[in-house]
Amino acid sequence: EAGVAQSPRYKIIEKRQSVAFWCNPISGHATLYWYQQILGQGPKLLIQFQNNGVVDDSQLPKDRFSAERLKGVDSTLKIQPAKLEDSAVYLCASSLIKGARGYEQYFGPGTRLTVT
Amino acid sequence: AQSVAQPEDQVNVAEGNPLTVKCTYSVSGNPYLFWYVQYPNRGLQFLLKYITGDNLVKGSYGFEAEFNKSQTSFHLKKPSALVSDSALYFCALFSGGYQKVTFGTGTKLQVIP
Repeated sequence: EAGVAQSPRYKIIEKRQSVAFWCNPISGHATLYWYQQILGQGPKLLIQFQNNGVVDDSQLPKDRFSAERLKGVDSTLKIQPAKLEDSAVYLCASSLIKGARGYEQYFGPGTRLTVT
Repeated sequence: AQSVAQPEDQVNVAEGNPLTVKCTYSVSGNPYLFWYVQYPNRGLQFLLKYITGDNLVKGSYGFEAEFNKSQTSFHLKKPSALVSDSALYFCALFSGGYQKVTFGTGTKLQVIP
């Protein structure tokens, strides 16, 4: 099966600019996650979707970050305006809920964002 | 609130020796616990999980982990370390009806030839 796809792989922007990341999960995976991973730290959950509904966005900085998952398949994460501290790798993951492989998250390669 | 702790930033072990990477958790309700590995410049990969049942779970690449409810721990182990096991290891906790997820801060495993 195809893995989780993310684009772009790398992005360099200036502070106060906007940026968008795209994620296509594994086919059939109802749950989709966006994480922020700052160098040397563990992934921090930004938002979790179940189909096209949000189940957890408690750590999403909503004044500048937004995310959507139209039609319950692919998803877009946007930052507007970006700050220097947003420099990180943005990881997308997807998972099944039930079955033998339930809850195992499959991660995409990530998008490395550098804000200058 | 739930939390995951990986008390060691780095673990060094000689090749061929057993290795342990520690993880403790705090949660109300039943935990679902996971280990992931991250190689340099690559995404996270699933290693193993505990959902229910046998406290000793076996995973990929010869790794295993033991769920200990009384000590609220889920330590990752391998009987004989390989240089290729050198990577960053993350413990993750799922809980609650909507499966709220929390990752630990990671432990860098260095296997010395």
